[in-house]
Amino acid sequence: GEDVEQSLFLSVREGDSSVINCTYTDSSSTYLYWYKQEPGAGLQLLTYIFSNMDMKQDQRLTVLLNKKDKHLSLRIADTQTGDSAIYFCAESIGSNYQLIWGAGTKLIIKP
Amino acid sequence: GAVVSQHPSWVICKSGTSVKIECRSLDFQATTMFWYRQFPKQSLMLMATSNEGSKATYEQGVEKDKFLINHASLTLSTLTVTSAHPEDSSFYICSARQPVEANVLTFGAGSRLTVL
Repeated sequence: GEDVEQSLFLSVREGDSSVINCTYTDSSSTYLYWYKQEPGAGLQLLTYIFSNMDMKQDQRLTVLLNKKDKHLSLRIADTQTGDSAIYFCAESIGSNYQLIWGAGTKLIIKP
Repeated sequence: GAVVSQHPSWVICKSGTSVKIECRSLDFQATTMFWYRQFPKQSLMLMATSNEGSKATYEQGVEKDKFLINHASLTLSTLTVTSAHPEDSSFYICSARQPVEANVLTFGAGSRLTVL
């Protein structure tokens, strides 16, 4: 069945770049998403990419999509303490945009 | 942008009681809302799809009689945890599709349920 996988933790130093990786299995996905969840809060959409694109940039965020390898990444430049959160990768499949979620990557910022 | 409000943000109840959580779309109509449960190890589980004016669609393994979902209007869906037990303690999050970008979900802030 469909599956989305991502590492559970990533630790980076403040000011460095963070790269959060995600792999998925369904090649028919239409969109791929990154959501951010701060402690005790709901999920906030960070960005999404259409499946026929390979890159999308939005200020400090860069999303790279490798369709051949079914690999999605989120790069956060100049990581700040406010970036501490859980980052969820998700793909949508089908005409009703059914979402398949990864388990979330907890980003830990070291001073 | 589209805003989803969830209430209460946290609730503590005694075992055996029922708890209702509300999810409202504030500035748009949502014919479909989604209820998620988040476990301590952070993974999200889709519990059910709430459909306005009809029965909710539950995911496999989710007890319909335990988690009652009602979507009586285009802006309100409710999740009632009936006869709650400590194992029902969790973070419940609702979401709705944005009216303009249907491929994007907007989430509520979540409700932390603790059953004593």
